[in-house]
Amino acid sequence: GESVGLHLPTLSVQEGDNSIINCAYSNSASDYFIWYKQESGKGPQFIIDIRSNMDKRQGQRVTVLLNKTVKHLSLQIAATQPGDSAVYFCAENVGGTYKYIFGTGTRLKVLA
Amino acid sequence: EAQVTQNPRYLITVTGKKLTVTCSQNMNHEYMSWYRQDPGLGLRQIYYSMNVEVTDKGDVPEGYKVSRKEKRNFPLILESPSPNQTSLYFCASSFGDRGLDGYTFGSGTRLTVV
Repeated sequence: GESVGLHLPTLSVQEGDNSIINCAYSNSASDYFIWYKQESGKGPQFIIDIRSNMDKRQGQRVTVLLNKTVKHLSLQIAATQPGDSAVYFCAENVGGTYKYIFGTGTRLKVLA
Repeated sequence: EAQVTQNPRYLITVTGKKLTVTCSQNMNHEYMSWYRQDPGLGLRQIYYSMNVEVTDKGDVPEGYKVSRKEKRNFPLILESPSPNQTSLYFCASSFGDRGLDGYTFGSGTRLTVV
């Protein structure tokens, strides 16, 4: 199996509960943010994005909140399911550049 | 199916033996990028390409080369691999400029250099 996620912080939630995963981003010039989901043995998968002119964006069962004042991003997953078990990480794009900064991730475990 | 295909999936090689990891996308994306993923670190960009024959260094380009002769292919070349290049590698592509519509990632290549 993959060793990338061995030392990640872990969030354990009961199936059906809501999950909140947090991310502190580093660059005040970042203007575009993405949340990715990475399942074991797979590449990261795009979940939802948000631009800096917004503070909230909703998708199917997921919501991203952006607080530019404290450089904080969160991902909320409603009614968490076993299939949501994965590593989640955020990415920030530094405005006007090709540079992305990726977070190290949080492991989400869904308890039956 | 829209996808990014990397090969090989797993590779064990010896120090100094040149290798190439291939990457191909079928979405007509202009932007492609290579990343490495190591324990305790986020994905780090190695090289990226804005279009055919246009490439540039990312954050950790040392020891790597790339080429973009065709829009769909973006191989990663390690001319003389060393053990510190043991890592999990991902190729990604994007339709949007600077990857601003999110990446599609390949499934990864786990490289071990002994």
